[in-house]
Amino acid sequence: QSVLTQPPSVSAAPGQKVTISCSGSSSNFGNNFVSWYQQFPGTVPKLLIYENNKRPSGIPDRFSGSKSGTSATLGITGLQTGDEADYYCGTWDSSLSAGVFGGGTKLTVL
Amino acid sequence: EVQLSESGGGLVQPGGSLRLSCAASGFTFSSYAMSWVRQAPGKGLEWVSVVSGSATNTYYADSVKGRFSISRDNSKNTLHLQINSLRVEDTAVYFCAKGPELGRFDFWGQGTLVTVSS
Repeated sequence: QSVLTQPPSVSAAPGQKVTISCSGSSSNFGNNFVSWYQQFPGTVPKLLIYENNKRPSGIPDRFSGSKSGTSATLGITGLQTGDEADYYCGTWDSSLSAGVFGGGTKLTVL
Repeated sequence: EVQLSESGGGLVQPGGSLRLSCAASGFTFSSYAMSWVRQAPGKGLEWVSVVSGSATNTYYADSVKGRFSISRDNSKNTLHLQINSLRVEDTAVYFCAKGPELGRFDFWGQGTLVTVSS
């Protein structure tokens, strides 16, 4: 059971928009930034969003992040088949003194 | 360019031990916390442990506390994870990751596979 809660899967058609939710608590989201990671099968996780809503160099602006209270959301617009991957939210939990990740969300672009 | 390269994985029997290493380059190693994150086959990411840049502070996931020990050698830009009393459920790809820095792990190694089986 992950400390952060994500839906197991989401799907949408090419060109559409999808959002992936991540629910936490005051001990993690309350005082710490949220990050999002993209992982294709058999590859290394890649930082997609950091500090709630910032994109590393090279990440297209189709990807966006937001945080409100103890929830965070990853948004992907203009969906492409190449976006099919697993997406994870993550942060630090100040009470646990531990890094925490969501269980991951599998994105299918129909 | 930041590079992280893990080594030391392999097949080990339950109760056995391994020492994982991660060679880092492309950044001032001693200035950053470094973590180990694992991923069991077909499962999600699980944070395992972190060591501060100066090696003063270490933290562990409850699932590995007392069995795993993280360390670093800043003179050699190398991160280590000593894993003892291995269990079947420790089978996973172990990634070293730079961070967390403001909650993010911004660079990851390719991972090393640890398989625990009799």
